[in-house]
Amino acid sequence: DIQMTQSPFSLSASVGDRVTITCRASQNIDNYLNWYQQKPGKAPSLLIYLTSNLQSGVPSRFSGSGSGTDFSLTITSLHPEDFATYYCQQSYNIPWTFGQGTKVEVK
Amino acid sequence: QVHLVQSGAEVRKPGASVRVSCKTSGYTFYIHGITWLRQAPGQGLEWMGWISARNGDTNYAQKLQDRFTMTTDSSTTTAYMELRGLKSDDTAVYYCARTMVIPYAVDVWGQGTTVTVSS
Repeated sequence: DIQMTQSPFSLSASVGDRVTITCRASQNIDNYLNWYQQKPGKAPSLLIYLTSNLQSGVPSRFSGSGSGTDFSLTITSLHPEDFATYYCQQSYNIPWTFGQGTKVEVK
Repeated sequence: QVHLVQSGAEVRKPGASVRVSCKTSGYTFYIHGITWLRQAPGQGLEWMGWISARNGDTNYAQKLQDRFTMTTDSSTTTAYMELRGLKSDDTAVYYCARTMVIPYAVDVWGQGTTVTVSS
C-alpha cells in the first residue's frame, strides 16, 4: 500500500495567514493526489483533485501543487471558515490511502 | 442537485452484521462509482472499497474483503454496504461517496452513518 504522510500534524494560525500543508507519498503517484476539508461532525468535502484542480465552488484562496511524491496545499489568506482538518488522498493505486490529517486551529 | 442520503445509526453486538444504504439522486447513477469509507472516533479516514454503478465491478480493502460486501440497485439508484462479523474496532462513522471518473476523487459525500459495536 502507498503510505501518505502529511505535515504538520497540526498548526495554529490566525485569520489572514498564509498556510501550507505538505503531503508525501511513499512512492510515485504521478498527479493522482486529492485534498479534502473536514469540519467537526461533518462529512469531508473535496477541495482539490489531481493535485491542482479546484473543485467547483471552492474559493480561489485554496491551491495545490506538486508531482511524483511531494505535494502541498496552500491557503493564501486564512478565513474563519477554514479552521478545519485537511486530508490528502492518493488515487493512483488501490487501496486509495489518506494522510493522517492536518488540523488547522485558531492561534 | 446531487444528494447521497444514508440510512440511520445502528447499534450491533460483536459478531453481528450491519447493512447501510445510500440513496442517490440528482445525477445519472451509472456514470459514477460509489466509494465507501469509514472514520473511527477521533481518527482519520479509511478507504473501504469502491463499486462501479455501471457494471458492479468492485475493489475491496484487503483487510475487510472477507467480511465486507458492496452492492448497487440501479432501479432505485441506491448503494448498499454490509459488514459482517462486527468487532468493537468497527465502531465508526461510515460514509458513502460519489466517485469521479479517472481522478477517483470522491466529490459528493453522504451525511455518514454511525455504527456502534458494543456488547
